[in-house]
Amino acid sequence: EDKVVQSPLSLVVHEGDTVTLNCSYEVTNFRSLLWYKQEKKAPTFLFMLTSSGIEKKSGRLSSILDKKELFSILNITATQTGDSAIYLCAILWQAGTALIFGKGTTLSVSS
Amino acid sequence: GAGVSQSPSNKVTEKGKDVELRCDPISGHTALYWYRQSLGQGLEFLIYFQGNSAPDKSGLPSDRFSAERTGGSVSTLTIQRTQQEDSAVYLCASSLITSNQPQHFGDGTRLSIL
Repeated sequence: EDKVVQSPLSLVVHEGDTVTLNCSYEVTNFRSLLWYKQEKKAPTFLFMLTSSGIEKKSGRLSSILDKKELFSILNITATQTGDSAIYLCAILWQAGTALIFGKGTTLSVSS
Repeated sequence: GAGVSQSPSNKVTEKGKDVELRCDPISGHTALYWYRQSLGQGLEFLIYFQGNSAPDKSGLPSDRFSAERTGGSVSTLTIQRTQQEDSAVYLCASSLITSNQPQHFGDGTRLSIL
C-alpha cells in the first residue's frame, strides 16, 4: 500500500507553460516533506517543507504543504526544456530515518 | 569531497556472482542511507547507518544483501549470489543528524545481472 502518491505519473507540456505536480500522503506526524529533481543520475534536493501553508520558492519553482489535507504541490512557471526530469516527493518520518518516496512524476517539456 | 561519491558507476555481472558497491558520503555526515531504484518503481529504502552501526536494516530484501560502514565514513553494500531481479540502480545518500537537513544523493551504481 503506497503511503506517498504522486500525480500525474507523467506530463508533457510546451515551453513556457506552468505546471503543478501533486503529492498526497497517508503518513501522519511526520517531520518533513521533501521534493527532489532527478535527471539522469542523482536526485537533487529542491525543497524541504515542515510547516503547513508556508510557500517555499526558488526561482521559477515553488512548493507548499497542507498538513490538514495531507498533500503538497510543486509549481513550475515558465517551463524550460531543462525542467524535463522526474520529480520525486518523499516523506521524512523523523530525523535520521529513511525517506519514503512516491513513484515520481515524469515531466517532459518540449520546445 | 563535495558530494556523495559512488563506485562503480556501472556494473555488469553474471548471475550467481557476488558484487560490492561503494559509497563515500559527504564529509561530516554521520547518517548514510542505501536505496534501490528499479525501472518503474520509486526509490526503495534498504539500510540506514548512524556512524558505524545500522539501526534500521528493514529494507534489505534478503539475506544475500549486507552492508557495512567503517570509520564513520565509507560504506560497502554487498550482494551475494546475484539474481536477475537484483538489477537496479543502487543509490546512496548522506545527511547530518539534525532536524531540517535533507539527504543528499550520489549518482548511483547501475547494476545489471546477466
